[in-house]
Amino acid sequence: GESVGLHLPTLSVQEGDNSIINCAYSNSASDYFIWYKQESGKGPQFIIDIRSNMDKRQGQRVTVLLNKTVKHLSLQIAATQPGDSAVYFCAAREGGGNKLTFGTGTQLKVEL
Amino acid sequence: DAGITQSPRHKVTETGTPVTLRCHQTENHRYMYWYRQDPGHGLRLIHYSYGVKDTDKGEVSDGYSVSRSKTEDFLLTLESATSSQTSVYFCAVESGSGEEQYFGPGTRLTVT
Repeated sequence: GESVGLHLPTLSVQEGDNSIINCAYSNSASDYFIWYKQESGKGPQFIIDIRSNMDKRQGQRVTVLLNKTVKHLSLQIAATQPGDSAVYFCAAREGGGNKLTFGTGTQLKVEL
Repeated sequence: DAGITQSPRHKVTETGTPVTLRCHQTENHRYMYWYRQDPGHGLRLIHYSYGVKDTDKGEVSDGYSVSRSKTEDFLLTLESATSSQTSVYFCAVESGSGEEQYFGPGTRLTVT
């Protein structure tokens, strides 16, 4: 099976700084990864995904990096804003399957 | 929000009573999922559906059953609610195998 874990339960950053949230996975057969953002009282919101045939993917102010050698991925948020305050978690899918395994989440706090 | 609604949004029920949660989607997604979210745990899969009348168990399926008689509706039933089933329940949809999942707003269930 797969297990997914985030390195820090909380991360505090200053407004305008870049944020980096890290995630580790255990199953080398995992080939698809997603980052979600969850605000208090709401459902998880899709941010960005990446497949194992890539090592980097960029979106609007976000970049996901995948290191398959050490089974690690990270989410980078550029110029962090107060609206970015939320819990972020990653999910991994084993190749050929439908089921996602989720990490527990990192609470991102943006200080003004 | 991928056209997903969940009902009820909040429910308090007593131990031993049956409870049914509803997930409704408007965009004809083939795959639908039920998760529970608890402090200290990542989202955990209860059951999922890959088509009308086609369902399968997830990692925490004991005490839960599901039904999908129409593409748009996926029901989760707690046959006899227990306090350990107090949780926030999320429904998710996925348009195709291997694609990202989109989540509903959640149902907060309290079993007293």
